[in-house]
Amino acid sequence: RKEVEQDPGPFNVPEGATVAFNCTYSNSASQSFFWYRQDCRKEPKLLMSVYSSGNEDGRFTAQLNRASQYISLLIRDSKLSDSATYLCVVDMDSNYQLIWGAGTKLIIKP
Amino acid sequence: NAGVTQTPKFRILKIGQSMTLQCTQDMNHNYMYWYRQDPGMGLKLIYYSVGAGITDKGEVPNGYNVSRSTTEDFPLRLELAAPSQTSVYFCASTHAGGAGQYFGPGTRLTVL
Repeated sequence: RKEVEQDPGPFNVPEGATVAFNCTYSNSASQSFFWYRQDCRKEPKLLMSVYSSGNEDGRFTAQLNRASQYISLLIRDSKLSDSATYLCVVDMDSNYQLIWGAGTKLIIKP
Repeated sequence: NAGVTQTPKFRILKIGQSMTLQCTQDMNHNYMYWYRQDPGMGLKLIYYSVGAGITDKGEVPNGYNVSRSTTEDFPLRLELAAPSQTSVYFCASTHAGGAGQYFGPGTRLTVL
């Protein structure tokens, strides 16, 4: 089983719609969780950390379900500029190393 | 404040050649990382450092070496390049082990 799994997509979504995707992780001892976005041929950029109680940053909401070992990202009122690959990232229990999912590709269409 | 910078942006190597990928950060971060990203795959950790003079292997260290003589710089050395090392290499840094990481723009390396 992969340590961090994501649906590769692509998710094709009309502008203004709401889209959500999940990521599952295998290490029950993980403590830190993140969503990054990566544009084509660019470096990953931190989108948001994911906290146990769930957190929101503008149109983006992240949630953590420890019992089922998954995290989710919800994007409301999607914009064309949201088109990117979204990477799910989870720490190993050593806390120095992060395990990266392969990403979910999102395409927002006008 | 430039963040994390990497040089070169692109490089083509012949099999057996060596090179050093440079990484510098100006955020006074203690933690620095080298990753490689192959098409359609997640980032794989090559080496990391938790401070000047301290380095450790990640998931895929074979064929690479690092040093960390200063807080700012974390160069990655490829010895005897092989086609399997064709990839995009990213350097990242952060202020704490469990915190989000900040990335440089990457080096696209092709080994022929």
